[in-house]
Amino acid sequence: DTAVSQTPKYLVTQMGNDKSIKCEQNLGHDTMYWYKQDSKKFLKIMFSYNNKELIINETVPNRFSPKSPDKAHLNLHINSLELGDSAVYFCASSQELHNEQFFGPGTRLTVL
Amino acid sequence: AQKITQTQPGMFVQEKEAVTLDCTYDTSDQSYGLFWYKQPSSGEMIFLIYQGSYDEQNATEGRYSLNFQKARKSANLVISASQLGDSAMYFCAMREGYRAKYGNKLVFGAGTILRVKS
Repeated sequence: DTAVSQTPKYLVTQMGNDKSIKCEQNLGHDTMYWYKQDSKKFLKIMFSYNNKELIINETVPNRFSPKSPDKAHLNLHINSLELGDSAVYFCASSQELHNEQFFGPGTRLTVL
Repeated sequence: AQKITQTQPGMFVQEKEAVTLDCTYDTSDQSYGLFWYKQPSSGEMIFLIYQGSYDEQNATEGRYSLNFQKARKSANLVISASQLGDSAMYFCAMREGYRAKYGNKLVFGAGTILRVKS
């Protein structure tokens, strides 16, 4: 009964490839997020969706495209992967009237 | 300017003792929220505690308490009776303003690595 799940957990790929990371939450939350944690452990928000609507789009290359087919899912598609995209990507969710964000286990992306 | 500053890259504490992890923040908003998350070596992000800017009492959750000093813009995490399992990276984070203004995003500090010694 995982609350926020991500697949895959590990992703190793070559530069230039296109890849997707999937996120699902079964908490009934209405808001979902993508965060990136770099090699120095610094966490930064990338995107946020509320009820399938994009509400936060930080300064992220347009090679990154989030997609929310429904409010329980927020997928991240990355085109033309670059070495600098190597990081851990966390999905999170929260309920509008509550404060804490619940994080998924993370996806470690390695671009070779 | 950094929104969230955690000045201690690493800390050691003896098992069963209390430890304080520092966090200062910078915002001009009146309404904001402060969070602490724990990231063990396994990598997951675990929510620990939350303090709202209008909350008059310091937040507490079990062995965790948040020492909120609004005038000094500090939100230190206090862990009482440290356990070996507390060894992890700890992140302070802030949600600025109302949800409609910034979309509920969290801004994180650089983190503090805590090591509990037996």
